[in-house]
Amino acid sequence: QTVVTQEPSFSVSPGGTVTLTCGLSSGSVSTSYYPSWYQQTPGQAPRTLIYSTNTRSSGVPDRFSGSILGNKAALTITGAQADDESDYYCVLFLGSGSFVFGTGTKVTVL
Amino acid sequence: QVQLQESGPGLVKPSETLSLTCTVSGVSVSSDVYFWSWIRQPPGKGLEWIGYIYNSGNTNYNPSLKSRVAISVDTSKNQFSLKLTSLTAADTAVYYCAREFLLEGRYFDLWGRGTLVTVSS
Repeated sequence: QTVVTQEPSFSVSPGGTVTLTCGLSSGSVSTSYYPSWYQQTPGQAPRTLIYSTNTRSSGVPDRFSGSILGNKAALTITGAQADDESDYYCVLFLGSGSFVFGTGTKVTVL
Repeated sequence: QVQLQESGPGLVKPSETLSLTCTVSGVSVSSDVYFWSWIRQPPGKGLEWIGYIYNSGNTNYNPSLKSRVAISVDTSKNQFSLKLTSLTAADTAVYYCAREFLLEGRYFDLWGRGTLVTVSS
């Protein structure tokens, strides 16, 4: 069973920078896993932020960026704003053709 | 405008079968460049991929749910559907349908608004 781990929570000051990571229970995350990132606020469907590691979805502000950091996928928010306060999920595409969601990170802006 | 809309019962009894439908508007479910997924989220918990259907009939399921899941497509109605059998309280969740656009990588580019399903007697 593949487990994808994320930090449970992060706090960031308005205008600050925060980097969320997405790791595998065994092995390293690479671009071959097509990491993608989603933002979700309570009661809403997820919103697509980043796909294929570092491509921003249409309409997503450039303060959101994706990368590979070491052996993990990463989502960086640069210049955090109050409405960035949300849950963030990464998703990895496995060689079996399946998807696995990460455990999610709750970001608080204060 | 492309939209996905889930529909189905809000309450289902334990041991019964859940049937949900996702109605797609603005694009054909028969298109070769899209896969169509179901994803769920128990209250207060994270997201879980259930499975997808593509090429009007090929499927791939989450191994942890594979024995209880079936996804099908009705091209005449431009819909795809989820059946989940042997329900327990652990299947209580918001169920989302989502689209994957193959030409841009492997990710979900469009989501429905979700429908809450409660499993309870």
